[in-house]
Amino acid sequence: DTAVSQTPKYLVTQMGNDKSIKCEQNLGHDTMYWYKQDSKKFLKIMFSYNNKELIINETVPNRFSPKSPDKAHLNLHINSLELGDSAVYFCASSQERGRGSYNEQFFGPGTRLTVL
Amino acid sequence: GESVGLHLPTLSVQEGDNSIINCAYSNSASDYFIWYKQESGKGPQFIIDIRSNMDKRQGQRVTVLLNKTVKHLSLQIAATQPGDSAVYFCAEAPWTGNQFYFGTGTSLTVIP
Repeated sequence: DTAVSQTPKYLVTQMGNDKSIKCEQNLGHDTMYWYKQDSKKFLKIMFSYNNKELIINETVPNRFSPKSPDKAHLNLHINSLELGDSAVYFCASSQERGRGSYNEQFFGPGTRLTVL
Repeated sequence: GESVGLHLPTLSVQEGDNSIINCAYSNSASDYFIWYKQESGKGPQFIIDIRSNMDKRQGQRVTVLLNKTVKHLSLQIAATQPGDSAVYFCAEAPWTGNQFYFGTGTSLTVIP
C-alpha cells in the first residue's frame, strides 16, 4: 500500500530516557514533516525536510533532533524525555510546493508517546 | 506567528442534516486553506482545499466557503452521515513555504 507509515504506534517510557520514532513514505514525495498534537488536539508543526534538508524548524527544544537518511525517511529522536513531551506525533509528506502551487500533506497514523 | 482558530469546539447534528463548521484565521497574507478530517486513532485526512482567489469550492457532499473580508472559512457537509463523525481542522498556508498552520479542531458527532 502507498502510504505514510510510522513506528511504533504506541511508546511508553520513563522520564529522562531517549527514544526514536520512525517515519517512512513511499509516495515519492520530496517533503516530510513532523507534527505534535497535544491532548486538546492542537496540531503544531515541528520540523520540515525537503530532499533530506531541514527547511522548517519551529521553536522546538534541541532535545528533539530529526534525521533524514533519505528523502523517503524522516525519523525523530528525542533525548532526555520530559512529561510535557507526552503527545501524539504525526509524520506527514507532500510533493514539493513551488511558488504558486499547493500540495496536500498526507499524514501517517501517529505515534502516541506517553512519558511517565 | 499565524493564528487559526475555530468558533465551536464541538458540534452535534442529526443524521441527514447539514453540518457547518466554522474557522477564523488571522493572517490576511495566507492564500491557501485546507480542511482535514481526523477520525479517532488516525492521522488527519485531506477533505478539500481552496485558494484565496476563490470564495467557494465544492466537493462530494462538502463545500468550503472563504470570506477574506472577515477572514473566515467554513466547511459545509451535506446530508451528514455517522461516518462523518470526527475532528475537523482548518489549516492555512502563506504564499511561500510548505508550512501549514492548523486550528484547534471541531469535534463533530452525528446522532443516528
